[in-house]
Amino acid sequence: DADVTQTPRNRITKTGKRIMLECSQTKGHDRMYWYRQDPGLGLRLIYYSFDVKDINKGEISDGYSVSRQAQAKFSLSLESAIPNQTALYFCATSPGLAFNEQFFGPGTRLTVL
Amino acid sequence: EDKVVQSPLSLVVHEGDTVTLNCSYEVTNFRSLLWYKQEKKAPTFLFMLTSSGIEKKSGRLSSILDKKELFSILNITATQTGDSAVYLCAVPPGNQFYFGTGTSLTVIP
Repeated sequence: DADVTQTPRNRITKTGKRIMLECSQTKGHDRMYWYRQDPGLGLRLIYYSFDVKDINKGEISDGYSVSRQAQAKFSLSLESAIPNQTALYFCATSPGLAFNEQFFGPGTRLTVL
Repeated sequence: EDKVVQSPLSLVVHEGDTVTLNCSYEVTNFRSLLWYKQEKKAPTFLFMLTSSGIEKKSGRLSSILDKKELFSILNITATQTGDSAVYLCAVPPGNQFYFGTGTSLTVIP
């Protein structure tokens, strides 16, 4: 079984809809992250969390919100989706120190029409 | 502003060639530099470098960091078609990771 899972894997939605992307991990890591990847722009950090009570904005948090329901679960919401939020979204986890390697989920491809 | 720049953006080589990928960075508080390989989907970890001049090796891949000149290189010798991927470097100056845009490597049989 995969250590970091994301659901759904693919989603097509319409402008203005509320969307939630979910991430679960069995690695026991405290730190969890949400990124989006766009062609030519690399991976950009949306939000990160170091524990259930610690949520932080990343580089591009506008238009997104998150919820850390438990150590193992970190959800990303788009309150009112817009077309420029069409991207590949990755969840990642990391243990201990902030500069250690991250483990990525398989990604969610989101298309907003 | 913290920045990570990779070059070249893309590269096409023949099997057996050796390639060198570059990653330069400007960050306020350097702690480590990480290399990832991204094939179809999720990036997978290759190396983490924290000290200058110490080469990390894994099979045909190796990487080295120069903290004075603020860059790292990733070498792949005797390339194979399975090396075709996007190679990403990332630097976490604080709690966030900054990724470069990646180098797309295509290895032709």
